[in-house]
Amino acid sequence: NAGVMQNPRHLVRRRGQEARLRCSPVKGHSHVYWYRQLPEEGLKFMVYLQKENIIDESGMPKERFSAEFPKEGPSILRIQQVVRGDSAAYFCASSPLLQGANTGELFFGEGSRLTVL
Amino acid sequence: DQQVKQNSPSLSVQEGRISILNCDYTNSMFDYFLWYKKYPAEGPTFLISISSIKDKNEDGRFTVFLNKSAKHLSLHIVPSQPGDSAVYFCAASFSGANNLFFGTGTRLTVIP
Repeated sequence: NAGVMQNPRHLVRRRGQEARLRCSPVKGHSHVYWYRQLPEEGLKFMVYLQKENIIDESGMPKERFSAEFPKEGPSILRIQQVVRGDSAAYFCASSPLLQGANTGELFFGEGSRLTVL
Repeated sequence: DQQVKQNSPSLSVQEGRISILNCDYTNSMFDYFLWYKKYPAEGPTFLISISSIKDKNEDGRFTVFLNKSAKHLSLHIVPSQPGDSAVYFCAASFSGANNLFFGTGTRLTVIP
């Protein structure tokens, strides 16, 4: 009964490189959310996806960031040309329900910590 | 624009005493509130929630109180145990929203 699996747990990149963060939701969950936690801040919503569809990307920076949740395989958060300000913990969460965010039925992974040198 | 605020970054409490964690919000559209608990190097885990139609919800040692007029909620843990030591995040949502709005967290330390 695996929970949300995120990898890598830690990722170090130099400025200008690309970062790819992967998230496998709880088996059977079709709703995936990405949150970012900057140092000394709370978690901030980035994007909500269902299989093959981006439902809400209102929290995602317009440039350099993209997310996908393909029919097969994990969800991927991609950050191109990383800058120091991208250093943060990126958490993925999954839900079995529409509006899982409203019911507490959000199951979080352990996070991927990105450090940009 | 921090719509959910936790003004106390840390709290220390003796084992067996009550822990009270506070949270304020600014958006009057919020109608559902949650508390998450987070241990180091782990993801947040859901603890307890309350709908805006209620003013109290209790689950074992954990009780959440909601004061809509003051836009304030609190989490009471009694009796506190050393295993409760963690960061507690307050979160809020509203009908139709796809996401949660989180506070910055309060680090609770329960001293044995």
